[in-house]
Amino acid sequence: EAQVTQNPRYLITVTGKKLTVTCSQNMNHEYMSWYRQDPGLGLRQIYYSMNVEVTDKGDVPEGYKVSRKEKRNFPLILESPSPNQTSLYFCASSKTPPRTSGGTNEQFFGPGTRLTVL
Amino acid sequence: GESVGLHLPTLSVQEGDNSIINCAYSNSASDYFIWYKQESGKGPQFIIDIRSNMDKRQGQRVTVLLNKTVKHLSLQIAATQPGDSAVYFCAESSYSSASKIIFGSGTRLSIRP
Repeated sequence: EAQVTQNPRYLITVTGKKLTVTCSQNMNHEYMSWYRQDPGLGLRQIYYSMNVEVTDKGDVPEGYKVSRKEKRNFPLILESPSPNQTSLYFCASSKTPPRTSGGTNEQFFGPGTRLTVL
Repeated sequence: GESVGLHLPTLSVQEGDNSIINCAYSNSASDYFIWYKQESGKGPQFIIDIRSNMDKRQGQRVTVLLNKTVKHLSLQIAATQPGDSAVYFCAESSYSSASKIIFGSGTRLSIRP
């Protein structure tokens, strides 16, 4: 089954304790992205990756890191989590980047990771 | 920065009627727009997209209209069904930020039986 998986689905942690949220897709997609979703703010893009070893900042990258060593995986790293990073996080992937003419731009989203930082 | 917003945060529609969800954007450079549907407890799901060289695009039971003059787009859902209950987001991208996507805050659509 074609899908985007995230782990863990729920996480409660404390300020300053490094954590990683994994994201994996089995569709051989080139473009992957991380979003956070907060009430009243919709989804905001944290980082995105056009392909292996190519990553770029989204709108809210502060406090986050990513890596793209393999095509299928795009982990989100919080080196020193803070309470303002409490949020619902979504990973997404698509065959081609958004706006690609003639490409398959549809983004497939994972089920989400609810993170609470105390 | 640019913002993508919505006229109404909630919309209640009678089952069987058509739904119209509106979205305003402020970035005149935006040239690619997407509608997503998010059901409770799930990630967003792509519905339909439209480029700025079009003013209308139709999918299965959905139509997106784009008015670049007033920077407005809408999602029309024909014959609304209970399964259409969700939060709907518009999102945009511009040539100046080719791979970024900016989402609006969402409209909750509820269906009256």
